[in-house]
Amino acid sequence: ETGVTQTPRHLVMGMTNKKSLKCEQHLGHNAMYWYKQSAKKPLELMFVYSLEERVENNSVPSRFSPECPNSSHLFLHLHTLQPEDSALYLCASSQDNTVSYNEQFFGPGTRLTVL
Amino acid sequence: GDSVTQMEGPVTLSEEAFLTINCTYTATGYPSLFWYVQYPGEGLQLLLKATKADDKGSNKGFEATYRKETTSFHLEKGSVQVSDSAVYFCALRSSNDYKLSFGAGTTVTVRA
Repeated sequence: ETGVTQTPRHLVMGMTNKKSLKCEQHLGHNAMYWYKQSAKKPLELMFVYSLEERVENNSVPSRFSPECPNSSHLFLHLHTLQPEDSALYLCASSQDNTVSYNEQFFGPGTRLTVL
Repeated sequence: GDSVTQMEGPVTLSEEAFLTINCTYTATGYPSLFWYVQYPGEGLQLLLKATKADDKGSNKGFEATYRKETTSFHLEKGSVQVSDSAVYFCALRSSNDYKLSFGAGTTVTVRA
């Protein structure tokens, strides 16, 4: 148990569905991240929020829409996904400041399958 | 840009064998280096870290030394167990950046 929880753990959706992934961290951290983990590929950073403001968007398709209502919660809204979006989506958090960036703590992931 | 290269797997070992997973990096400045482990069906867990040259990170019998002269951070364990079967990721974080750059991961299977 790392202090980062994700729901649901598994999700199967059609290409026309709308769904949301949820992440919650109980560590008092000030930064949260969404990663995509596909088979045989390095982890891909999708979004970064620091102090609830988005600071990074690595040219992720608009069918993925993040939301960070407060420093403990992070959502990933999904709409009209493609089969190639099937992957493990990992959430992470860290406590950072202007002097140092610390290790990230990961949740267990949501296994997404797009039919 | 920053990058991490780690040995490709899969690696299959017998219990009590010696494990080494090579990791080299490219980065400007003085990055922090990490090894993460992902057990089947789970997310990534931090295994160990080192924040400056010659630091040795250690945890659960695993060790890795930050070698700036060879830009390496190889992971070692002297006697592996079946429970060490997992995917291992080497990662770096530059001193002035929040991004983690990951290697592709190495799958390790330990047989009884």
